[in-house]
Amino acid sequence: AQKITQTQPGMFVQEKEAVTLDCTYDTSDQSYGLFWYKQPSSGEMIFLIYQGSYDEQNATEGRYSLNFQKARKSANLVISASQLGDSAMYFCAMRDLFSGGYNKLIFGAGTRLAVHP
Amino acid sequence: ETGVTQTPRHLVMGMTNKKSLKCEQHLGHNAMYWYKQSAKKPLELMFVYNFKEQTENNSVPSRFSPECPNSSHLFLHLHTLQPEDSALYLCASSLRGVRESHNEQFFGPGTRLTVL
Repeated sequence: AQKITQTQPGMFVQEKEAVTLDCTYDTSDQSYGLFWYKQPSSGEMIFLIYQGSYDEQNATEGRYSLNFQKARKSANLVISASQLGDSAMYFCAMRDLFSGGYNKLIFGAGTRLAVHP
Repeated sequence: ETGVTQTPRHLVMGMTNKKSLKCEQHLGHNAMYWYKQSAKKPLELMFVYNFKEQTENNSVPSRFSPECPNSSHLFLHLHTLQPEDSALYLCASSLRGVRESHNEQFFGPGTRLTVL
């Protein structure tokens, strides 16, 4: 079965510094997709970045980059130049196939990031 | 603002009440989802609608009843809930149908439900 593991329940970072949030996954599929979402205290889940298993380059979106190490089955999120507004829960997710060939997302437990001034 | 709205944002109900949660997406998306987020648990997928057709009922109790009258609207009808059903209920939509591999989902702000 597919599984997402986020081992850091909480992380602290100083404003303007970079931070890495860990994510490891378990799958027997050759083709899969990995996602990162941010959830502020308001509750809304905000899509940040996507990495396909066949993508040769690490995905980047502005200050977000995904450190994809396929052999180690890790997809860590790197946030550069942290801002106070980055304080939130961060979820790693993976595409999973269910019956009928449909796709759904399975989520990790999340990491709470606190950015200090 | 992701283009997915949910109402109400907060709901308190008794165990004998009947209420409905509403989700609306203004993005022209083809698939819609209901998730439940309980404290200290990962997001749980409840229901999936692909082009208005329900494709997944993830062993959800019958006291939760979804309805998708068109591709822009999704409802979750609630009746005789239990206190353990208190959670954040999130709606999401994706442009591509659920048969597509790269179908990132866009979420609404959620409804915080408390069952007394």
